Amino acid sequence: AAGVIQSPRHLIKEKRETATLKCYPIPRHDTVYWYQQGPGQDPQFLISFYEKMQSDKGSIPDRFSAQQFSDYHSELNMSSLELGDSALYFCASSFGNSGANVLTFGAGSRLTVL
Amino acid sequence: DAKTTQPTSMDCAEGRAANLPCNHSTISGNEYVYWYRQIHSQGPQYIIHGLKNNETNEMASLIITEDRKSSTLILPHATLRDTAVYYCIVRARNDYKLSFGAGTTVTVRA
Repeated sequence: AAGVIQSPRHLIKEKRETATLKCYPIPRHDTVYWYQQGPGQDPQFLISFYEKMQSDKGSIPDRFSAQQFSDYHSELNMSSLELGDSALYFCASSFGNSGANVLTFGAGSRLTVL
Repeated sequence: DAKTTQPTSMDCAEGRAANLPCNHSTISGNEYVYWYRQIHSQGPQYIIHGLKNNETNEMASLIITEDRKSSTLILPHATLRDTAVYYCIVRARNDYKLSFGAGTTVTVRA
Protein backbone atom coordinates (compact mmCIF):
# COMPACT_ATOMS: atom_id res chain seq x y z
CA ALA A 1 0.00 0.00 0.00
CA ALA A 2 1.16 3.51 -0.75
CA GLY A 3 2.46 5.44 2.23
CA VAL A 4 3.18 9.05 3.09
CA ILE A 5 6.30 10.17 1.26
CA GLN A 6 8.58 12.81 2.74
CA SER A 7 11.57 14.44 1.13
CA PRO A 8 14.35 14.98 1.68
CA ARG A 9 15.02 12.35 4.33
CA HIS A 10 18.06 14.21 5.60
CA LEU A 11 18.96 17.87 5.31
CA ILE A 12 21.89 19.83 6.67
CA LYS A 13 21.72 23.63 6.77
CA GLU A 14 23.64 26.49 8.31
CA LYS A 15 22.15 28.97 10.76
CA ARG A 16 20.07 31.68 9.13
CA GLU A 17 19.54 29.59 5.99
CA THR A 18 16.20 28.45 4.60
CA ALA A 19 14.91 24.89 4.28
CA THR A 20 11.90 23.38 2.55
CA LEU A 21 10.42 19.99 3.40
CA LYS A 22 7.94 18.23 1.16
CA CYS A 23 5.17 15.79 1.96
CA TYR A 24 3.17 13.64 -0.45
CA PRO A 25 0.07 12.19 1.24
CA ILE A 26 -1.47 8.81 0.62
CA PRO A 27 -3.58 8.94 -2.59
CA ARG A 28 -7.08 10.31 -1.94
CA HIS A 29 -6.09 11.66 1.49
CA ASP A 30 -7.15 15.28 1.73
CA THR A 31 -5.68 16.29 5.09
CA VAL A 32 -2.02 16.83 5.92
CA TYR A 33 -0.41 17.41 9.31
CA TRP A 34 3.13 18.52 10.25
CA TYR A 35 4.90 17.56 13.46
CA GLN A 36 8.29 18.45 14.94
CA GLN A 37 10.21 16.11 17.24
CA GLY A 38 13.29 17.45 18.95
CA PRO A 39 15.95 15.16 20.45
CA GLY A 40 14.49 13.15 23.31
CA GLN A 41 11.10 14.83 22.97
CA ASP A 42 7.65 13.72 21.91
CA PRO A 43 6.21 14.81 18.55
CA GLN A 44 4.71 18.30 18.69
CA PHE A 45 1.95 19.38 16.34
CA LEU A 46 2.82 22.32 14.09
CA ILE A 47 0.04 22.83 11.55
CA SER A 48 -2.54 21.01 9.45
CA PHE A 49 -4.40 21.52 6.18
CA TYR A 50 -7.73 20.17 4.99
CA GLU A 51 -8.66 20.57 1.33
CA LYS A 52 -5.83 23.08 0.86
CA MET A 53 -6.98 25.34 3.69
CA GLN A 54 -5.27 25.63 7.06
CA SER A 55 -7.40 23.67 9.50
CA ASP A 56 -5.45 23.90 12.76
CA LYS A 57 -2.32 25.52 14.09
CA GLY A 58 -0.07 24.48 16.93
CA SER A 59 3.26 25.74 18.21
CA ILE A 60 4.64 26.69 14.81
CA PRO A 61 7.23 29.50 14.88
CA ASP A 62 6.51 32.61 12.83
CA ARG A 63 9.64 31.80 10.80
CA PHE A 64 7.89 28.71 9.50
CA SER A 65 5.14 28.62 6.90
CA ALA A 66 3.35 25.83 5.13
CA GLN A 67 0.80 25.25 2.44
CA GLN A 68 -1.09 22.47 0.73
CA PHE A 69 -1.18 22.48 -3.05
CA SER A 70 -3.87 21.51 -5.55
CA ASP A 71 -2.47 17.96 -5.81
CA TYR A 72 -2.70 17.78 -1.98
CA HIS A 73 1.02 17.63 -1.39
CA SER A 74 2.32 19.99 1.25
CA GLU A 75 5.50 21.94 1.86
CA LEU A 76 6.92 23.27 5.12
CA ASN A 77 9.16 26.29 4.64
CA MET A 78 11.55 27.23 7.43
CA SER A 79 13.52 30.47 7.30
CA SER A 80 16.22 32.07 9.46
CA LEU A 81 17.08 28.63 10.76
CA GLU A 82 18.27 28.33 14.34
CA LEU A 83 20.20 25.57 16.07
CA GLY A 84 17.02 24.68 17.96
CA ASP A 85 15.24 23.84 14.73
CA SER A 86 17.34 20.69 14.45
CA ALA A 87 14.75 17.97 14.73
CA LEU A 88 12.82 15.24 13.01
CA TYR A 89 9.88 16.60 11.03
CA PHE A 90 7.01 14.24 10.41
CA CYS A 91 4.18 14.63 7.99
CA ALA A 92 0.96 12.68 8.36
CA SER A 93 -2.12 12.40 6.20
CA SER A 94 -5.71 11.30 6.64
CA PHE A 95 -8.92 11.06 4.66
CA GLY A 96 -11.15 13.65 6.24
CA ASN A 97 -10.36 15.67 9.31
CA SER A 98 -12.49 14.38 12.14
CA GLY A 99 -11.39 12.66 15.28
CA ALA A 100 -12.47 9.35 13.80
CA ASN A 101 -9.97 9.52 10.95
CA VAL A 102 -6.68 7.70 11.38
CA LEU A 103 -3.47 9.62 10.74
CA THR A 104 -0.76 7.80 8.81
CA PHE A 105 2.74 9.15 9.33
CA GLY A 106 5.68 9.33 6.99
CA ALA A 107 9.21 8.25 7.82
CA GLY A 108 10.25 11.82 8.62
CA SER A 109 12.82 14.35 7.48
CA ARG A 110 15.81 14.91 9.74
CA LEU A 111 16.96 18.53 9.73
CA THR A 112 20.35 19.38 11.18
CA VAL A 113 21.23 23.05 11.61
CA LEU A 114 24.92 23.80 12.08
CA ASP B 1 -3.16 19.55 31.83
CA ALA B 2 -2.33 16.19 30.27
CA LYS B 3 -5.38 14.28 29.10
CA THR B 4 -3.73 10.89 29.66
CA THR B 5 -1.40 9.32 32.19
CA GLN B 6 0.82 6.38 31.31
CA PRO B 7 3.66 4.58 33.11
CA THR B 8 7.04 5.92 32.09
CA SER B 9 8.43 2.52 31.24
CA MET B 10 7.61 -1.19 31.18
CA ASP B 11 9.50 -4.39 30.57
CA CYS B 12 7.86 -7.36 28.88
CA ALA B 13 8.98 -10.90 28.18
CA GLU B 14 9.15 -12.02 24.58
CA GLY B 15 6.24 -14.27 23.66
CA ARG B 16 4.08 -13.09 26.56
CA ALA B 17 1.17 -10.67 26.44
CA ALA B 18 2.03 -7.04 27.11
CA ASN B 19 -0.65 -5.01 28.92
CA LEU B 20 -0.19 -1.25 28.69
CA PRO B 21 -2.41 0.85 30.95
CA CYS B 22 -3.63 4.38 30.33
CA ASN B 23 -5.66 6.67 32.56
CA HIS B 24 -7.91 9.30 30.99
CA SER B 25 -10.21 10.21 33.84
CA THR B 26 -11.44 13.48 32.25
CA ILE B 27 -12.42 11.94 28.92
CA SER B 28 -15.70 13.20 27.48
CA GLY B 29 -18.32 11.35 25.52
CA ASN B 30 -17.15 12.53 22.12
CA GLU B 31 -13.48 11.66 22.61
CA TYR B 32 -11.74 8.66 21.11
CA VAL B 33 -8.87 6.74 22.67
CA TYR B 34 -6.02 6.23 20.20
CA TRP B 35 -2.85 4.21 20.52
CA TYR B 36 0.25 4.88 18.45
CA ARG B 37 3.77 3.65 18.83
CA GLN B 38 7.12 4.98 17.73
CA ILE B 39 10.02 2.68 17.11
CA HIS B 40 13.28 4.58 17.51
CA SER B 41 13.22 7.71 15.30
CA GLN B 42 10.69 6.19 12.89
CA GLY B 43 7.35 7.80 12.14
CA PRO B 44 4.60 7.10 14.69
CA GLN B 45 2.63 3.99 13.76
CA TYR B 46 -1.11 3.65 14.27
CA ILE B 47 -2.12 0.66 16.40
CA ILE B 48 -5.78 0.90 17.28
CA HIS B 49 -8.51 3.28 18.45
CA GLY B 50 -11.92 3.09 20.07
CA LEU B 51 -14.75 5.18 21.43
CA LYS B 52 -16.71 3.04 23.87
CA ASN B 53 -16.46 -0.58 22.86
CA ASN B 54 -13.48 -2.87 23.07
CA GLU B 55 -11.65 -3.20 19.79
CA THR B 56 -9.35 -5.80 18.26
CA ASN B 57 -7.27 -5.84 15.11
CA GLU B 58 -4.30 -7.78 13.80
CA MET B 59 -1.88 -5.85 15.98
CA ALA B 60 -3.56 -5.48 19.34
CA SER B 61 -6.67 -5.31 21.49
CA LEU B 62 -8.03 -2.23 23.21
CA ILE B 63 -10.01 -2.69 26.40
CA ILE B 64 -11.90 0.41 27.58
CA THR B 65 -13.49 0.39 31.03
CA GLU B 66 -17.21 0.91 31.27
CA ASP B 67 -16.80 4.39 32.75
CA ARG B 68 -14.24 5.12 29.99
CA LYS B 69 -11.80 6.59 32.51
CA SER B 70 -9.05 4.13 31.67
CA SER B 71 -8.02 1.68 29.00
CA THR B 72 -5.51 -1.08 28.38
CA LEU B 73 -3.67 -1.87 25.18
CA ILE B 74 -2.88 -5.56 24.86
CA LEU B 75 -0.17 -6.88 22.59
CA PRO B 76 -1.01 -10.60 22.62
CA HIS B 77 2.46 -12.03 21.89
CA ALA B 78 5.19 -9.46 22.33
CA THR B 79 8.25 -9.73 20.11
CA LEU B 80 11.56 -7.90 20.23
CA ARG B 81 10.29 -5.73 17.36
CA ASP B 82 7.54 -4.40 19.62
CA THR B 83 10.13 -2.46 21.62
CA ALA B 84 8.98 1.16 21.20
CA VAL B 85 7.42 4.18 22.86
CA TYR B 86 3.66 3.67 23.09
CA TYR B 87 1.39 6.69 23.14
CA CYS B 88 -2.17 6.72 24.46
CA ILE B 89 -3.97 9.76 23.02
CA VAL B 90 -7.43 11.14 23.65
CA ARG B 91 -8.83 12.88 20.59
CA ALA B 92 -12.15 14.66 20.27
CA ARG B 93 -14.45 13.96 17.35
CA ASN B 94 -13.94 17.52 16.11
CA ASP B 95 -10.19 17.63 16.81
CA TYR B 96 -8.15 17.52 13.64
CA LYS B 97 -4.83 16.72 15.23
CA LEU B 98 -3.29 14.11 17.50
CA SER B 99 -1.61 15.56 20.58
CA PHE B 100 1.25 13.41 21.81
CA GLY B 101 2.04 13.41 25.50
CA ALA B 102 4.58 11.40 27.44
CA GLY B 103 4.23 7.77 26.40
CA THR B 104 5.38 4.47 27.83
CA THR B 105 8.77 3.12 26.80
CA VAL B 106 8.21 -0.60 26.36
CA THR B 107 11.21 -2.90 26.26
CA VAL B 108 10.63 -6.48 25.20
CA ARG B 109 13.33 -8.79 26.53
CA ALA B 110 14.26 -12.23 25.25
